[in-house]
Order: sequence, then structure tokens, then C-alpha cells
Amino acid sequence: KQEVTQIPAALSVPEGENLVLNCSFTDSAIYNLQWFRQDPGKGLTSLLLIQSSQREQTSGRLNASLDKSSGRSTLYIAASQPGDSATYLCAVHPGYSSASKIIFGSGTRLSIRP
Amino acid sequence: EAGVAQSPRYKIIEKRQSVAFWCNPISGHATLYWYQQILGQGPKLLIQFQNNGVVDDSQLPKDRFSAERLKGVDSTLKIQPAKLEDSAVYLCASSPVGGPFSLSYEQYFGPGTRLTVT
Repeated sequence: KQEVTQIPAALSVPEGENLVLNCSFTDSAIYNLQWFRQDPGKGLTSLLLIQSSQREQTSGRLNASLDKSSGRSTLYIAASQPGDSATYLCAVHPGYSSASKIIFGSGTRLSIRP
Repeated sequence: EAGVAQSPRYKIIEKRQSVAFWCNPISGHATLYWYQQILGQGPKLLIQFQNNGVVDDSQLPKDRFSAERLKGVDSTLKIQPAKLEDSAVYLCASSPVGGPFSLSYEQYFGPGTRLTVT
């Protein structure tokens, strides 16, 4: 059974720092992995989608990496800003099947101090 | 392009009452998902539709929850009767492709409905 873990549950850093959020999964047979951002009281916004054949994806100040063999993904945020404060969730699609369920981690609540 | 619409945004009911949520996905999106997100946890998939057919409802508590997607467009999720543990945010999402390739496409989420059961 696939399990997705995000540690730490909460992180607070000063503005301007580069930071890394971690996501680990127990079954390396994934189809893809997706990072989301969730603001308080809002839905999820997709940040980056990494296919299983890819190693990383970049969008602006965000870079997500994927290492299937070790069951890990990281989300790197460069030059953090107060507007980056939100909860970041990773989710894995565990297989190539229309019945495969996306499995979410519990998220890391990020706070950027001005 | 309009996003995924959900209503209501907030709902407070007493236990044993019934409640319904509505979702309108992005136009043309074949796949629609309903998730339950309990405070402090990641979303859990309740049901997945492809067009108007159910792909996966293995985590839907069928004794009290039901969902339908008539005509393969908008969808409703119903809880009857509600329990205290149903307090959560109910998220609807859609993706543009159905079938086995649906997993390779991003999911677009609505703002959610926050349900409080007292």
C-alpha cells in the first residue's frame, strides 16, 4: 500500500532564504508525482507535475526533483518571499491504471518571515 | 478559461441531517474527482468519474455518501445522514483526459466546500 510522507509538518524561514521541502513515498512504482500549493480556505493549485521518466521540472523559482529508486521528491524554492507562505502538498499517482488512486501527503505548512 | 466551481462554500448542519454539494468542472474535462480533506491531512479521494461513469468509489462510505454526474458534466455529492466525523473540506477537481492516460494530466481543483457537522 502506497504511503506518502512529508516532513517537517511545518517550517518557518526568513525571507530571501532558499529552502527545500521533502516528500517520500513507499512504493517506487509510480506513474507521476505532483506538487500542489494550498492557501488557507482555498483549493489546491498545481505547481509542478513530474512524469515517472523525468528527473526534475522547473517553473520560475520552483524546482521539483524526483528519485523513484529512493522514493523521494524535493521541492526547491529559491529566494523565498512572504507570498510563498502556504501549505505545500505532494501527491503520487501509483500506477498506470484508470483505477489507480492519487495519494496525497499531509503537507508542509510553510511560513516565510518578512 | 473558467475554473472548477463549487457551491456552497460553507455549510453548517447538525448530525443526522443531510447535505448536498455541487461541482461544475472545467468545460470539456472528462474526469471529475471528489476529495475529502480533514483538517491537517491531505485530501482523500472519495470518487472518480470519467464522463458520467464511476471509475473508482472504493473509498466512498456508501452507507451515507452518494454521488452522481449526470450527462457527464456537473456533479453532486450527498451525505445522508451526516456524522460529526464528516466535518471536512470537500474538494472537487477535474482533468482534461479520461481513460488510462488521465493520470498523466494535471488535476485542477475548485475552492472546496467547508462542512461543519455539530
